Amino acid sequence: SSELTQDPAVSVALGQTVRITCQGDSLRSHYASWYQQKPRQAPVLVIYGRNTRPSGIPDRISGSSSGNTASLTITGAQAEDEADYYCNSRDSSNNHLVFGGGTKLTVL
Amino acid sequence: QVQLQQSGPGLVKPSQTLSLTCTVSGGSITGGGLFWTWIRQLPGKGLEWIGYISYSGSTSYNPSLKSRVTISLYTSKNQFSLNLNSVTAADTAMYYCAREVAGAGYYFDFWGQGALVTVSS
Repeated sequence: SSELTQDPAVSVALGQTVRITCQGDSLRSHYASWYQQKPRQAPVLVIYGRNTRPSGIPDRISGSSSGNTASLTITGAQAEDEADYYCNSRDSSNNHLVFGGGTKLTVL
Repeated sequence: QVQLQQSGPGLVKPSQTLSLTCTVSGGSITGGGLFWTWIRQLPGKGLEWIGYISYSGSTSYNPSLKSRVTISLYTSKNQFSLNLNSVTAADTAMYYCAREVAGAGYYFDFWGQGALVTVSS
């Protein structure tokens, strides 16, 4: 399968921890990358590889993976973390790419 | 710092060809391990991978769009382009160019600003 599945919406109380998951067969052989998209803005890379944050991404955002599931964890969620989050990986052929459907994170 | 600047018309008539260009500054388009990618986002929807062209010129396209898509590389101008032919209203979307890196996995580290393309007569 070349699909990545995400929960459409997740909510978290301010200051609490939230995990956003991404499931797909391709994740057994490829790392997921994660993107944060705020309204009317281009997506921003937040996690890639095993658990690498680009410069400027706060360390409360982390990534992990097990089997066919990749996870993005925000520890101590802040209001500015409210956004859509997308996972992405190469598919099993390694030639095509696929995005998850996205998860809308609401910080309460 | 790498920057991607998109250009192209914001309105395209049905059945015509959508053409967008992405100009890369701050880095070479022929750098190894780089894949120059087009991604789109239909109104209110998620991200959809359209295709890429590698630093060496090889291409890969989304099977659902493959028959209508051409991505080209212009090394002398440090640009790459998207042509999507026979467009319909269903192709109305925000189009992004992005740089995919093959390193610790594959990931898009730099994105263009996005271009809203409307297909309408």
